[in-house]
Amino acid sequence: EAQVTQNPRYLITVTGKKLTVTCSQNMNHEYMSWYRQDPGLGLRQIYYSMNVEVTDKGDVPEGYKVSRKEKRNFPLILESPSPNQTSLYFCASSLKGSGANVLTFGAGSRLTVL
Amino acid sequence: DAKTTQPPSMDCAEGRAANLPCNHSTISGNEYVYWYRQIHSQGPQYIIHGLKNNETNEMASLIITEDRKSSTLILPHATLRDTAVYYCIVRRFSGSARQLTFGSGTQLTVLP
Repeated sequence: EAQVTQNPRYLITVTGKKLTVTCSQNMNHEYMSWYRQDPGLGLRQIYYSMNVEVTDKGDVPEGYKVSRKEKRNFPLILESPSPNQTSLYFCASSLKGSGANVLTFGAGSRLTVL
Repeated sequence: DAKTTQPPSMDCAEGRAANLPCNHSTISGNEYVYWYRQIHSQGPQYIIHGLKNNETNEMASLIITEDRKSSTLILPHATLRDTAVYYCIVRRFSGSARQLTFGSGTQLTVLP
């Protein structure tokens, strides 16, 4: 089944403890992206990647890192999480980053930072 | 990307057509209109997109006005499972790699 898989789905952690949220897609998509969703603020883009080794900042990149060493994987790294990063996170991918392509989203990862 | 305006909420009776409007008066000629929906806190799901012509797929129909300043998403026979937040988004064809900007959307509640 074509899908975007995120792990973990739920995580409670403490301030400053590094964590990684993994994202993997099995559709050979070039484009991948991370969003966070907060009440009243909608979905905001954190980082995106047009292809392997090509990443760029979205609207809210502060406090996050990403890497794209393989086409299928796009992990989101929180080096020193803070409570304001408590949010619902979504990874998404599309065939390309341009043109009339549609995004396929993962199921989401709910992160709580105490 | 052009800004979109949607009503915050709508109700629809089960089995009836749900018509969700979207205003995108600042849309430019090369911008597509996309519709996604999000059921509770699940990942957003693609529904349909179009540029100028009306479009239909197995989920919905998209009607775009001739001046392209507004559109309507039609769910022909709404079911309880269609209760969700529906997002209307416009995006440049030329490939703004920053992709889609999701606004607040319309909370559609399908009533039994």
